[in-house]
Amino acid sequence: SQELEQSPQSLIVQEGKNLTINCTSSKTLYGLYWYKQKYGEGLIFLMMLQKGGEEKSHEKITAKLDEKKQQSSLHITASQPSHAGIYLCGASYSGNTPLVFGKGTRLSVIA
Amino acid sequence: EPEVTQTPSHQVTQMGQEVILRCVPISNHLYFYWYRQILGQKVEFLVSFYNNEISEKSEIFDDQFSVERPDGSNFTLKIRSTKLEDSAMYFCASSQEGTDTQYFGPGTRLTVL
Repeated sequence: SQELEQSPQSLIVQEGKNLTINCTSSKTLYGLYWYKQKYGEGLIFLMMLQKGGEEKSHEKITAKLDEKKQQSSLHITASQPSHAGIYLCGASYSGNTPLVFGKGTRLSVIA
Repeated sequence: EPEVTQTPSHQVTQMGQEVILRCVPISNHLYFYWYRQILGQKVEFLVSFYNNEISEKSEIFDDQFSVERPDGSNFTLKIRSTKLEDSAMYFCASSQEGTDTQYFGPGTRLTVL
């Protein structure tokens, strides 16, 4: 089984709608990272969560960490075409160590 | 805002040739990483580097790969004899001491023919 499961794999939403992407680790997390990637380009750091119950926001994007479930959810409010791209969650299992990535969620926002 | 830079953005090479991918990490960062992403697949860790030596490497990082920090700013990944399956996007990342957030460069797309 995968170390880091991300769902859904793809999502098509109408502009203005809210959406949620989930990321679940099979091991105890040290840190959970969210990145955004435009197809064929680099990874843009969105936010990092470490403590259970932690919630962070970046513009209209909010992410939470559920320590009990070892799960993070990324929520976009009132989606816009600029939100389209691939959202990747990455996990670290101790400090300054390599990240393990999920398969990504491809988000399309249609007018 | 400081950022990680990578050159070239795209490299095309013949199978069996050597390639060197270059990265300039963020200037006060001390931890450096290489990852790769084969088209349509996950981002995978290759190697991490700290204090002028490899701190961790994955099973992908075999004898064909090497890394070097030749001066105070550059961090390079060398592939000695490229194979078709080395075709991928290669990302460099760096992080600071005391924080874990890794900042990624824009990537080098390597195409092996």
